[in-house]
Amino acid sequence: GEDVEQSLFLSVREGDSSVINCTYTDSSSTYLYWYKQEPGAGLQLLTYIFSNMDMKQDQRLTVLLNKKDKHLSLRIADTQTGDSAIYFCAASGAGSYQLTFGKGTKLSVIP
Amino acid sequence: NAGVTQTPKFQVLKTGQSMTLQCAQDMNHNSMYWYRQDPGMGLRLIYYSASEGTTDKGEVPNGYNVSRLNKREFSLRLESAAPSQTSVYFCASSSDRGKNEQFFGPGTRLTVL
Repeated sequence: GEDVEQSLFLSVREGDSSVINCTYTDSSSTYLYWYKQEPGAGLQLLTYIFSNMDMKQDQRLTVLLNKKDKHLSLRIADTQTGDSAIYFCAASGAGSYQLTFGKGTKLSVIP
Repeated sequence: NAGVTQTPKFQVLKTGQSMTLQCAQDMNHNSMYWYRQDPGMGLRLIYYSASEGTTDKGEVPNGYNVSRLNKREFSLRLESAAPSQTSVYFCASSSDRGKNEQFFGPGTRLTVL
């Protein structure tokens, strides 16, 4: 089955850019997602990208997809303390009901 | 528009006790899901319901049962709780299998002693 991998921790200074990376194994994944989880809360969908795209930008968020290497990244520009959270990468196969999640990257923003 | 709601928020059980976690969505979504989240494990799918009247096993279904009561509600039952079921449980829903954009509830934190 699908496997999604992410690094577990990232620490950045306020105002810098953050880049969170993710790799997945199933080349037939059609949608790839980034979710944010704040302490004690559920997951909030931040953005997603369709597999025929290589980039998507949404305000401070930029998603890059390298389909050949099965690599996804989330860039957060001008990172703020409110961005401190766990970020999950997830992948969905064509017509599948199931999302496969990575273990999450904990982003810590240093003031 | 409350989105996805879950009850209870917290629960402590003794080994062998049973309980039902409730989930409801008001977005008219067809599909609903139950996940568990454990430290260092990410989210793992327990069961899902593609539409009203259907349910299917996910990655970790053992020890759980589900009921899709109607389009809005999807419950998760632990018949005989075990300490290994100590976890945070999330319900989610989605409207479109193609894009499968899932919306999550706030979670239920369950401790089994």
